[in-house]
Amino acid sequence: QVQLVESGGGVVQPGKSVRLSCEASGFRFSSYAMHWVRQAPGKGLEWVAVILYDGSKQYYTDSVKGRFTISRDNDKNTLFLQMNGLRPDDTALYYCARDRGADAFDVWGRGTVVIVSS
Amino acid sequence: DIQLTQSPSSLSAAVGDRVTITCQATEDINKYLNWYHQEPGKAPRLLIYDAFNLEPGVPSRFHGSGSGTDFTLTISSLQPEDLGTYFCQQYDDLPVFGPGTKVDLK
Repeated sequence: QVQLVESGGGVVQPGKSVRLSCEASGFRFSSYAMHWVRQAPGKGLEWVAVILYDGSKQYYTDSVKGRFTISRDNDKNTLFLQMNGLRPDDTALYYCARDRGADAFDVWGRGTVVIVSS
Repeated sequence: DIQLTQSPSSLSAAVGDRVTITCQATEDINKYLNWYHQEPGKAPRLLIYDAFNLEPGVPSRFHGSGSGTDFTLTISSLQPEDLGTYFCQQYDDLPVFGPGTKVDLK
Protein backbone atom coordinates (compact mmCIF):
# COMPACT_ATOMS: atom_id res chain seq x y z
CA GLN A 1 0.00 0.00 0.00
CA VAL A 2 0.99 3.64 -0.29
CA GLN A 3 3.32 4.39 2.58
CA LEU A 4 5.90 6.85 3.87
CA VAL A 5 8.26 5.90 6.67
CA GLU A 6 10.49 8.48 8.30
CA SER A 7 13.67 7.74 10.20
CA GLY A 8 16.80 9.42 11.50
CA GLY A 9 15.46 11.45 14.39
CA GLY A 10 16.90 11.53 17.86
CA VAL A 11 18.44 13.77 20.48
CA VAL A 12 21.06 16.14 19.14
CA GLN A 13 23.01 18.97 20.70
CA PRO A 14 22.48 22.57 19.61
CA GLY A 15 24.63 23.46 16.62
CA LYS A 16 24.96 19.87 15.49
CA SER A 17 23.52 18.13 12.45
CA VAL A 18 21.12 15.32 11.68
CA ARG A 19 19.82 13.77 8.47
CA LEU A 20 16.26 12.59 8.22
CA SER A 21 15.09 10.02 5.68
CA CYS A 22 11.67 9.19 4.33
CA GLU A 23 11.25 5.95 2.44
CA ALA A 24 8.32 5.77 0.05
CA SER A 25 6.54 2.68 -1.20
CA GLY A 26 3.39 1.75 -3.05
CA PHE A 27 3.46 4.60 -5.55
CA ARG A 28 5.67 6.14 -8.24
CA PHE A 29 7.81 8.31 -6.00
CA SER A 30 9.53 10.06 -8.91
CA SER A 31 6.23 11.56 -10.07
CA TYR A 32 5.47 13.57 -6.94
CA ALA A 33 6.76 16.66 -5.23
CA MET A 34 7.53 15.90 -1.60
CA HIS A 35 7.42 18.00 1.55
CA TRP A 36 8.65 18.06 5.10
CA VAL A 37 6.24 19.38 7.72
CA ARG A 38 7.03 19.64 11.41
CA GLN A 39 5.05 19.90 14.61
CA ALA A 40 6.61 21.16 17.81
CA PRO A 41 5.32 19.53 21.01
CA GLY A 42 1.75 20.62 21.64
CA LYS A 43 1.82 23.02 18.71
CA GLY A 44 0.40 23.26 15.21
CA LEU A 45 1.77 22.23 11.85
CA GLU A 46 4.62 24.12 10.23
CA TRP A 47 5.59 23.58 6.63
CA VAL A 48 9.37 23.22 6.32
CA ALA A 49 10.44 22.48 2.75
CA VAL A 50 9.42 21.10 -0.63
CA ILE A 51 11.31 19.49 -3.47
CA LEU A 52 9.90 19.06 -6.96
CA TYR A 53 9.37 15.61 -8.40
CA ASP A 54 12.67 15.61 -10.28
CA GLY A 55 14.69 17.39 -7.61
CA SER A 56 15.13 20.43 -9.83
CA LYS A 57 13.87 22.98 -7.31
CA GLN A 58 13.61 23.29 -3.58
CA TYR A 59 11.87 25.85 -1.39
CA TYR A 60 12.12 26.47 2.34
CA THR A 61 10.39 28.28 5.11
CA ASP A 62 12.42 31.31 6.21
CA SER A 63 13.42 29.92 9.60
CA VAL A 64 15.38 27.01 8.07
CA LYS A 65 16.87 28.67 4.98
CA GLY A 66 20.61 28.21 4.87
CA ARG A 67 20.50 25.51 7.56
CA PHE A 68 18.31 22.74 6.12
CA THR A 69 18.59 21.03 2.74
CA ILE A 70 15.90 18.89 1.20
CA SER A 71 16.95 16.30 -1.38
CA ARG A 72 15.75 13.07 -2.90
CA ASP A 73 16.97 9.89 -4.52
CA ASN A 74 14.34 8.75 -6.98
CA ASP A 75 16.19 5.53 -7.68
CA LYS A 76 15.89 4.61 -4.00
CA ASN A 77 12.43 6.14 -3.46
CA THR A 78 13.79 8.18 -0.60
CA LEU A 79 13.44 11.77 0.56
CA PHE A 80 15.98 13.44 2.82
CA LEU A 81 16.25 16.44 5.08
CA GLN A 82 19.76 17.47 6.07
CA MET A 83 19.48 19.65 9.16
CA ASN A 84 22.55 21.66 10.16
CA GLY A 85 23.06 24.25 12.85
CA LEU A 86 20.20 22.84 14.87
CA ARG A 87 18.53 25.05 17.45
CA PRO A 88 16.25 24.18 20.38
CA ASP A 89 13.28 25.59 18.47
CA ASP A 90 13.84 22.95 15.78
CA THR A 91 12.62 20.38 18.29
CA ALA A 92 9.60 18.75 16.67
CA LEU A 93 8.00 15.73 15.11
CA TYR A 94 9.03 15.80 11.47
CA TYR A 95 6.63 14.42 8.88
CA CYS A 96 7.24 13.78 5.23
CA ALA A 97 4.21 14.21 3.00
CA ARG A 98 3.34 13.54 -0.60
CA ASP A 99 2.07 16.38 -2.72
CA ARG A 100 -0.49 15.03 -5.09
CA GLY A 101 -0.84 18.37 -6.77
CA ALA A 102 -1.51 21.97 -5.80
CA ASP A 103 0.23 21.46 -2.46
CA ALA A 104 -2.41 19.03 -1.21
CA PHE A 105 -0.65 16.66 1.16
CA ASP A 106 -2.51 13.42 0.63
CA VAL A 107 -0.11 10.89 2.15
CA TRP A 108 1.79 11.39 5.41
CA GLY A 109 4.27 9.31 7.32
CA ARG A 110 4.07 8.77 11.06
CA GLY A 111 6.92 11.17 11.65
CA THR A 112 10.30 11.07 13.35
CA VAL A 113 11.13 13.07 16.45
CA VAL A 114 14.07 15.46 16.64
CA ILE A 115 14.97 16.86 20.04
CA VAL A 116 17.61 19.57 20.16
CA SER A 117 18.99 19.78 23.65
CA SER A 118 22.31 19.94 25.44
CA ASP B 1 3.67 36.52 3.52
CA ILE B 2 0.13 35.18 3.61
CA GLN B 3 -1.03 34.22 7.05
CA LEU B 4 -4.08 32.29 8.17
CA THR B 5 -6.23 32.64 11.24
CA GLN B 6 -8.79 30.13 12.44
CA SER B 7 -11.76 30.49 14.73
CA PRO B 8 -12.62 29.32 17.16
CA SER B 9 -9.32 28.04 18.55
CA SER B 10 -11.26 25.31 20.31
CA LEU B 11 -14.83 24.12 20.69
CA SER B 12 -16.84 21.50 22.49
CA ALA B 13 -19.74 19.83 20.73
CA ALA B 14 -22.02 16.86 21.17
CA VAL B 15 -22.31 13.91 18.83
CA GLY B 16 -24.75 14.89 16.10
CA ASP B 17 -24.08 18.62 16.37
CA ARG B 18 -23.36 20.78 13.37
CA VAL B 19 -19.86 22.23 13.70
CA THR B 20 -18.46 25.19 11.79
CA ILE B 21 -14.83 26.27 11.67
CA THR B 22 -13.64 29.35 9.83
CA CYS B 23 -10.29 30.18 8.28
CA GLN B 24 -9.31 33.67 7.16
CA ALA B 25 -6.38 34.61 4.96
CA THR B 26 -4.55 37.94 5.09
CA GLU B 27 -4.70 38.19 1.29
CA ASP B 28 -6.93 36.90 -1.49
CA ILE B 29 -5.94 33.27 -2.08
CA ASN B 30 -8.70 32.46 -4.57
CA LYS B 31 -9.68 28.86 -3.83
CA TYR B 32 -6.20 27.72 -2.85
CA LEU B 33 -7.08 26.29 0.52
CA ASN B 34 -7.02 22.78 1.95
CA TRP B 35 -8.37 21.35 5.21
CA TYR B 36 -6.83 18.61 7.36
CA HIS B 37 -7.92 16.68 10.42
CA GLN B 38 -5.43 15.43 12.96
CA GLU B 39 -6.53 12.92 15.56
CA PRO B 40 -4.43 12.86 18.75
CA GLY B 41 -1.16 11.01 18.22
CA LYS B 42 -1.71 10.59 14.50
CA ALA B 43 -0.56 12.24 11.30
CA PRO B 44 -2.88 14.76 9.64
CA ARG B 45 -5.38 13.59 7.06
CA LEU B 46 -6.44 15.59 4.01
CA LEU B 47 -10.20 16.27 4.07
CA ILE B 48 -10.91 19.03 1.59
CA TYR B 49 -8.81 20.40 -1.27
CA ASP B 50 -9.27 23.50 -3.39
CA ALA B 51 -11.62 24.94 -0.77
CA PHE B 52 -14.59 22.68 -1.42
CA ASN B 53 -13.55 19.36 -3.00
CA LEU B 54 -13.97 16.32 -0.80
CA GLU B 55 -10.94 14.05 -0.72
CA PRO B 56 -11.86 10.49 -1.78
CA GLY B 57 -12.81 8.38 1.21
CA VAL B 58 -13.76 11.34 3.39
CA PRO B 59 -17.34 11.18 4.71
CA SER B 60 -19.88 13.44 3.07
CA ARG B 61 -20.69 15.12 6.40
CA PHE B 62 -17.61 17.28 5.77
CA HIS B 63 -18.21 20.34 3.62
CA GLY B 64 -15.86 23.11 2.58
CA SER B 65 -16.80 26.49 1.22
CA GLY B 66 -15.44 29.95 0.57
CA SER B 67 -13.01 31.75 -1.66
CA GLY B 68 -10.83 34.82 -1.55
CA THR B 69 -10.03 35.42 2.10
CA ASP B 70 -12.83 33.67 3.98
CA PHE B 71 -13.34 29.93 4.19
CA THR B 72 -15.48 27.55 6.20
CA LEU B 73 -15.32 23.89 7.13
CA THR B 74 -18.64 22.43 8.25
CA ILE B 75 -19.27 19.06 9.83
CA SER B 76 -22.97 18.44 9.43
CA SER B 77 -23.30 15.84 12.19
CA LEU B 78 -20.31 15.42 14.49
CA GLN B 79 -19.16 11.86 15.08
CA PRO B 80 -16.82 10.59 17.82
CA GLU B 81 -14.06 9.93 15.29
CA ASP B 82 -14.14 13.61 14.27
CA LEU B 83 -12.50 14.71 17.48
CA GLY B 84 -9.08 16.24 17.19
CA THR B 85 -7.62 19.32 15.57
CA TYR B 86 -8.52 20.84 12.21
CA PHE B 87 -6.02 22.84 10.20
CA CYS B 88 -6.51 24.94 7.12
CA GLN B 89 -3.58 25.35 4.73
CA GLN B 90 -3.12 27.81 1.90
CA TYR B 91 -1.06 27.22 -1.22
CA ASP B 92 -1.41 30.47 -3.12
CA ASP B 93 2.18 31.05 -2.07
CA LEU B 94 4.45 28.61 -0.28
CA PRO B 95 2.35 26.42 2.00
CA VAL B 96 1.20 27.87 5.29
CA PHE B 97 -0.98 26.20 7.89
CA GLY B 98 -3.49 27.87 10.11
CA PRO B 99 -3.04 27.58 13.88
CA GLY B 100 -5.69 24.88 14.22
CA THR B 101 -9.10 24.40 15.84
CA LYS B 102 -9.35 21.75 18.52
CA VAL B 103 -12.67 19.91 18.64
CA ASP B 104 -13.67 17.83 21.64
CA LEU B 105 -16.82 16.25 22.99
CA LYS B 106 -19.18 18.17 25.21
